[in-house]
Amino acid sequence: SQQGEEDPQALSIQEGENATMNCSYKTSINNLQWYRQNSGRGLVHLILIRSNEREKHSGRLRVTLDTSKKSSSLLITASRAADTASYFCATVLYNNNDMRFGAGTRLTVKP
Amino acid sequence: SQTIHQWPATLVQPVGSPLSLECTVEGTSNPNLYWYRQAAGRGLQLLFYSVGIGQISSEVPQNLSASRPQDRQFILSSKKLLLSDSGFYLCAWSNSRTLQETQYFGPGTRLLVL
Repeated sequence: SQQGEEDPQALSIQEGENATMNCSYKTSINNLQWYRQNSGRGLVHLILIRSNEREKHSGRLRVTLDTSKKSSSLLITASRAADTASYFCATVLYNNNDMRFGAGTRLTVKP
Repeated sequence: SQTIHQWPATLVQPVGSPLSLECTVEGTSNPNLYWYRQAAGRGLQLLFYSVGIGQISSEVPQNLSASRPQDRQFILSSKKLLLSDSGFYLCAWSNSRTLQETQYFGPGTRLLVL
């Protein structure tokens, strides 16, 4: 069963704008990961944030984690057409050898 | 550097036929290996994971089975395919002793059962 739920399901923006995607989950986690998937391809790992971390950066990506609200956000700044893809959050629970993926957010960046 | 291969890329099979999808990893030893299925427009469902040769854990009861005959080889099989087995199958690996770290995915196999 899915643990994380992304919001929105789909997002369409213009090139240069920022894109924000959210992920909510229900139970305490060990870490949360964001992945990207281009259409018909495998997933690519973007960022891993642990439960004791609040924010991480990687290039134009910024991930925040609020464990009190059981939510995370992925911000892509200055978006490009090449950022068009589906973005998934995956949660890893404590004492559980398991990674649960949400249904994803489909991001379209228009040139 | 590590690479992960899956084949075939696309497969069309009749209902009731057998299935064998293969995944191999290069550039690492003793990886954790995983099989996921992704329905159209959905997230990933973990099917099997393996922490070593001959060690397979199944997440959900289903028409599929997995085997790990060699350290870096993971095979997904079925004796008789069902229509509901159609989907996008992804293999992944990680270098941790648990499932709690980054996973690296293969390019996937798209299976259509007719």
